[in-house]
This record gives sequence, structure tokens and C-alpha cells, in this order.
Amino acid sequence: DAGITQSPRYKITETGRQVTLMCHQTWSHSYMFWYRQDLGHGLRLIYYSAAADITDKGEVPDGYVVSRSKTENFPLTLESATRSQTSVYFCASRRDRRWGQNMNTEAFFGQGTRLTVV
Amino acid sequence: DQQVKQNSPSLSVQEGRISILNCDYTNSMFDYFLWYKKYPAEGPTFLISISSIKDKNEDGRFTVFLNKSAKHLSLHIVPSQPGDSAVYFCAASEEGGSEKLVFGKGTKLTVNP
Repeated sequence: DAGITQSPRYKITETGRQVTLMCHQTWSHSYMFWYRQDLGHGLRLIYYSAAADITDKGEVPDGYVVSRSKTENFPLTLESATRSQTSVYFCASRRDRRWGQNMNTEAFFGQGTRLTVV
Repeated sequence: DQQVKQNSPSLSVQEGRISILNCDYTNSMFDYFLWYKKYPAEGPTFLISISSIKDKNEDGRFTVFLNKSAKHLSLHIVPSQPGDSAVYFCAASEEGGSEKLVFGKGTKLTVNP
């Protein structure tokens, strides 16, 4: 099916473990993003990617690593999970805007991964 | 420093009445604004957007107004329905930037039957 999918939907892990959250989109959108949602903070950007092999930090990148070897995949890795990383994680994708042509676009979100670090 | 602010954490309205959700921003480079709706246990879904070259955009029951001089936008829902009960996020992006969206903290709308 076309769209953006995240896996797993739910994950419980122990402090200090490495865990990877997967994100896959079928639209070939150039841009992909990882956000986390926490009570009182809304959606905060962790990392984003403009294209394969191009990634950059967002607002809250510490403790996370990303890679993007293929356009359609954008995995997020917690190298050594901490309790403060307990959150709901959302992946999103967005196509390019074409400057000067007033072609604005929205970002599409996955259904989220609820991660609990115990 | 928060670039997009939604100062009302919650809003409660009666079915059939108007819901008005507000959003303020500080970054004058933002040129595109969006509203997302989020139900529990689901990802945010796009609702409506507006470019900085416009001051109003309408889509059915939903209208977004943009006041650039005040750096303020609002979402009007008329008439409100119980199914509109959700968390609404305001978001903005910057021309020439990375296409990333900067979100507010959200407003939880409850529409009472």
C-alpha cells in the first residue's frame, strides 16, 4: 500500500539497550523527518533528511542517530536508550516545494511508535 | 525559544457552534502555515494550510486566517461537530529552509453534543 509506515507500533526496551525505529515511505518524497511527541511539548523535531545520504539535526537530536541510504527508508536509532526517551515517535515525509511556483505541500505522518524505556 | 505558540492547551465548545483555535509565531521567515489534527493513537493528519501571500483559505467547514503583521493565525471550524474533538497542531515552515515543520504544543478541542 502507498503511504508512510512505521514499525514497530509499540516497543518496550531496557535502559542502555540499542533500539531502532523504522520508517518507510512509498511516495519517493525527498524530505523525511523524525518527531517525538511528549505531553506539554507538542511535536519536536529530532532529525531530518533532505535526500538519501543527507541528514541534519533538529531541535532535540541528542541520543539519537539516523541514516538514509535509500530515499524510502529513514531509520531512527537510540544508541543507548534512557528513560527520558520514553515517548511517541512520528516519522513524516514531504515532497519538494518548487521555489517561485507557489507550490506548497504538506507533510504526511506515519501512525507512530510508542516507545517505553524501563 | 518557541517559534510557534498555541497558548490555549484546551478548548470546549458546543456542537453546532464555532470553534476558534489560535496560533502565534515569532519567525518572520515563515512563509507557509498548516493545521494538523490528531486523534489518540494515530499520527497527525493534515487539515488545511495557507501561504503567506494569502490572508484566508477555506475548505468546507474549516477556514484559516493569517494576519502577518500580528504574526497570528487562527483556525475556524463552523459548525463544530463531535467528531472534530481532537488535538489540533499549528505548524509553520520557512522558505529556503529545510522543509521542516515547526509545531506548536497543540490545543485539545472538545465538542460537546
